[in-house]
Amino acid sequence: NAGVTQTPKFRILKIGQSMTLQCTQDMNHNYMYWYRQDPGMGLKLIYYSVGAGITDKGEVPNGYNVSRSTTEDFPLRLELAAPSQTSVYFCASSYPEGEHTQYFGPGTRLTVL
Amino acid sequence: AQTVTQSQPEMSVQEAETVTLSCTYDTSESDYYLFWYKQPPSRQMILVIRQEAYKQQNATENRFSVNFQKAAKSFSLKISDSQLGDAAMYFCAYRSASQGGSEKLVFGKGTKLTVNP
Repeated sequence: NAGVTQTPKFRILKIGQSMTLQCTQDMNHNYMYWYRQDPGMGLKLIYYSVGAGITDKGEVPNGYNVSRSTTEDFPLRLELAAPSQTSVYFCASSYPEGEHTQYFGPGTRLTVL
Repeated sequence: AQTVTQSQPEMSVQEAETVTLSCTYDTSESDYYLFWYKQPPSRQMILVIRQEAYKQQNATENRFSVNFQKAAKSFSLKISDSQLGDAAMYFCAYRSASQGGSEKLVFGKGTKLTVNP
């Protein structure tokens, strides 16, 4: 299993541009998450999904959108990028039962200039 | 809302010695999970150890163990026989066990551990 994969690893955007961060997991997990990590801070939840077709906001959803058309994929869309969205973005997935552990992707470092 | 506090922004330890990282949390729930994640310079978040709140026994994974004090809402991580590869940021995280929730993780700000040869 590849686990949780994210693309791209790095990206520089100009203010006002848009992009989609891709996340795929091959563990058949129902739950998927997007977090952001600002310098010197822990991770904060942006959006999450409990299954295909179901998404909900986390702590810091403004400026982002998500969709979940399949169990495997959970893309994060940035519209009208702003410098405040400069961060490292992590995707994670988990089962809703059992060991309750979230498995993380390698992260995407995004810079908005 | 739950909060997680890591009061030590940085810690250092000599190779082969023992170090303890502190974590406290605030919650009104009785059932939850606690985690320690390691983040090396590669940025990958790696699970170190987990603890179920309903279990009195402290979790152990090889050189890593926790001291879980539920009444004090404390969850410290002890690393024994420290190795150079243990150098990383360590994050304490909380997750509610409530049914039907997001199961999101609430993270502390992290402790940067340096291991000196």
